[in-house]
Amino acid sequence: DTGVSQNPRHKITKRGQNVTFRCDPISEHNRLYWYRQTLGQGPEFLTYFQNEAQLEKSRLLSDRFSAERPKGSFSTLEIQRTEQGDSAMYLCASSPPVGGGLLHGEQFFGPGTRLTVL
Amino acid sequence: GESVGLHLPTLSVQEGDNSIINCAYSNSASDYFIWYKQESGKGPQFIIDIRSNMDKRQGQRVTVLLNKTVKHLSLQIAATQPGDSAVYFCAENRQEGSYIPTFGRGTSLIVHP
Repeated sequence: DTGVSQNPRHKITKRGQNVTFRCDPISEHNRLYWYRQTLGQGPEFLTYFQNEAQLEKSRLLSDRFSAERPKGSFSTLEIQRTEQGDSAMYLCASSPPVGGGLLHGEQFFGPGTRLTVL
Repeated sequence: GESVGLHLPTLSVQEGDNSIINCAYSNSASDYFIWYKQESGKGPQFIIDIRSNMDKRQGQRVTVLLNKTVKHLSLQIAATQPGDSAVYFCAENRQEGSYIPTFGRGTSLIVHP
């Protein structure tokens, strides 16, 4: 399968613990996005990378959240001192370079990591 | 069957009927719109998109209509099948910059066999 992969698929943690999620985008996709999705809502943008550079961050991304994409390939999203309000599905998406790939703006989503904070 | 998007988040139809899912967007500067399908336990999957210089675009069994005057988008699914059961999201975007879409709330489509 050459789609976007995310690990783990499910994570249950206790409040106050740190968690880290990983996203492996489609090869040669230089753009990578993280979203958060709660039940019944659409995905909410968290942050965006172009290659290894983190170009945009949402106000939703508090200082407890940090994301990296050190080599411009896979990315990690870490949440420190988790709170119950952090419980959600965390989605990763990737897209090809503009002009060199498919449709402008088309994003390919992974299956998500479901986080439950007890 | 027809939904009004944010005001009616669930649409139930019979197999074989045509479905219409509606969406209102908010940003007049948005010039690119996408429909996504999300099945339970999966990430959103691209269905069809449309640029603001068009008012209609057709795919396989799906048609997207765009009315920029009233900032309204619709997704029509012909001959709806049980496999079409999912939550459908519209997203608005810009064709410049980081291409970060803003998603609507979504409509749940339930297809009865």
